[in-house]
Amino acid sequence: DQQVKQNSPSLSVQEGRISILNCDYTNSMFDYFLWYKKYPAEGPTFLISISSIKDKNEDGRFTVFLNKSAKHLSLHIVPSQPGDSAVYFCAASLGGSQGNLIFGKGTKLSVKP
Amino acid sequence: KAGVTQTPRYLIKTRGQQVTLSCSPISGHRSVSWYQQTPGQGLQFLFEYFSETQRNKGNFPGRFSGRQFSNSRSEMNVSTLELGDSALYLCASSLGSTGGSYGYTFGSGTRLTVV
Repeated sequence: DQQVKQNSPSLSVQEGRISILNCDYTNSMFDYFLWYKKYPAEGPTFLISISSIKDKNEDGRFTVFLNKSAKHLSLHIVPSQPGDSAVYFCAASLGGSQGNLIFGKGTKLSVKP
Repeated sequence: KAGVTQTPRYLIKTRGQQVTLSCSPISGHRSVSWYQQTPGQGLQFLFEYFSETQRNKGNFPGRFSGRQFSNSRSEMNVSTLELGDSALYLCASSLGSTGGSYGYTFGSGTRLTVV
């Protein structure tokens, strides 16, 4: 039973445009949601997170939106750059003693020059 | 400051053998988690240690075990290796006891191949 789902395995965007990566979850007890970027042969790199009590968090070109009623979050990258090409993972945390992250299966973003 | 260091980077083992992977977290980080990444299953949580105690465990067989030392360094061990254990094993460290609020910093992983 997948608690965190990324339904699009891949996304292709033109340089300078907006990239929107989506994530759905099923467990309403998640307290934090995080986005990670991963290049081949490297570990995931933390990008941005959002608390379940907020609906938006922004950090430079990256903005994460959370819609709790729809159990949906999205990562917006504006403007997209070729260096953003990577696999993006959505993850969720239950908090408390559950100090682990539950990951989606990732979306491969390709930004074309 | 130094990141999360995992050794070795690559490992080839034979079915039935055992293997030990090592992880040195970022200085000051007390929480260390281990994840397995495979093409089919994605990133799956193995276990988490905080101040030398296993706080949480994922849904993996008992062949997978780990420990954390007083300096926060961690090791994971897989016994009686199976072909399906071939994967990228990632270690992540965090300042606090809940990774969600602080975010985890991942190492580059150990690529284990079982033949």
